[in-house]
Amino acid sequence: GQQLNQSPQSMFIQEGEDVSMNCTSSSIFNTWLWYKQDPGEGPVLLIALYKAGELTSNGRLTAQFGITRKDSFLNISASIPSDVGIYFCAGQPPLHGSGNTGKLIFGQGTTLQVKP
Amino acid sequence: EAQVTQNPRYLITVTGKKLTVTCSQNMNHEYMSWYRQDPGLGLRQIYYSMNVEVTDKGDVPEGYKVSRKEKRNFPLILESPSPNQTSLYFCASSLRTPGTFGGAFFGQGTRLTVV
Repeated sequence: GQQLNQSPQSMFIQEGEDVSMNCTSSSIFNTWLWYKQDPGEGPVLLIALYKAGELTSNGRLTAQFGITRKDSFLNISASIPSDVGIYFCAGQPPLHGSGNTGKLIFGQGTTLQVKP
Repeated sequence: EAQVTQNPRYLITVTGKKLTVTCSQNMNHEYMSWYRQDPGLGLRQIYYSMNVEVTDKGDVPEGYKVSRKEKRNFPLILESPSPNQTSLYFCASSLRTPGTFGGAFFGQGTRLTVV
């Protein structure tokens, strides 16, 4: 089946630094989603991207839907301790070239640790 | 309060003993889905449902069944659990598709151990 390669696997950064993570695939997606998961909780949707080339921000978070529809990145600016958690990308594959299926493919996750 | 409720939160069972994990949402969402989360593998979709009586397989459906008889409930059934189904399970719902921003919710998770 389709797979998403998410990198890096983990990051340990200083508070105030910017963070960048990305996801790539060999197949195209119609929608890219970015989630954050805190320990003991379910994932929370941070950003949704619907069109190739789209750049969307949510506070200190910025994400882009790659032009080829096979990749996406998430940037976090000026990290703070509460940014700690696991970040997942997820993509919705197209339904026979157009429209969306209900399928959702997740990346393996990026674990972020922030040192105060 | 808008929420997705899973029960139970924790379950230890024996191989072969049928079990059901319930999932309920109170937001009138059309789309619901089940995932399992295993270390290093991220989340993998088991089954999803686009609406009542409409279900389809995700990436890892083997060994699981679902039903969607009413909009609010989407139970996950393990007819004959095996140890490789030990995992953390999440139910999720959203308005129409998983990418409906502002209307996508996950439950708190069910940690299942099969011995």
